[in-house]
Amino acid sequence: DTGVSQDPRHKITKRGQNVTFRCDPISEHNRLYWYRQTLGQGPEFLTYFQNEAQLEKSRLLSDRFSAERPKGSFSTLEIQRTEQGDSAMYLCASSLVPRYNEQFFGPGTRLTVL
Amino acid sequence: SQQGEEDPQALSIQEGENATMNCSYKTSINNLQWYRQNSGRGLVHLILIRSNEREKHSGRLRVTLDTSKKSSSLLITASRAADTASYFCATESGGSNYKLTFGKGTLLTVNP
Repeated sequence: DTGVSQDPRHKITKRGQNVTFRCDPISEHNRLYWYRQTLGQGPEFLTYFQNEAQLEKSRLLSDRFSAERPKGSFSTLEIQRTEQGDSAMYLCASSLVPRYNEQFFGPGTRLTVL
Repeated sequence: SQQGEEDPQALSIQEGENATMNCSYKTSINNLQWYRQNSGRGLVHLILIRSNEREKHSGRLRVTLDTSKKSSSLLITASRAADTASYFCATESGGSNYKLTFGKGTLLTVNP
């Protein structure tokens, strides 16, 4: 247990539905990252927050994706009008920069879009 | 896009043997990190090596970095069945965004 939690752990939804995932980072960490991982691949960066500010979004993050980190604590990732290609593991990580570079990952949310 | 490429893609060894995994990357880096992922779970940080370091040890792990060849290796000595997992290298490049770019990973199987 790294101290980063994600909810839910698994989500099955039908194409076209909206889904929201939550990440609770380690409390003193100022950075929060979202990654997506598909089968047989390494995680791919989606977006990151410095406290409550979203500082960078990957081209992978289409307009259907939105992420928030209100008050610089937990974060949510919402996918609207889900597509089958959205099926993946969504990983959240947190870190305390610039003191430490290591990222601490949560267990992930596995999304299956039918 | 994936920065790193791990080699081999899969490795199967007997308990007690050493396991070596390699990682190559494309752009200059601030540091390189290795992570382990057990089946279907989150990633666990193993070790970080900075661009000005050449070798680092942590327990049974030894990491080397050759920035001239843009490559790194992870050696796990005296492997155990519990070391069975996927191993990813991840590079941190550029300014202060601290984001990581991962390779595709090496699946290590340690047979008891």
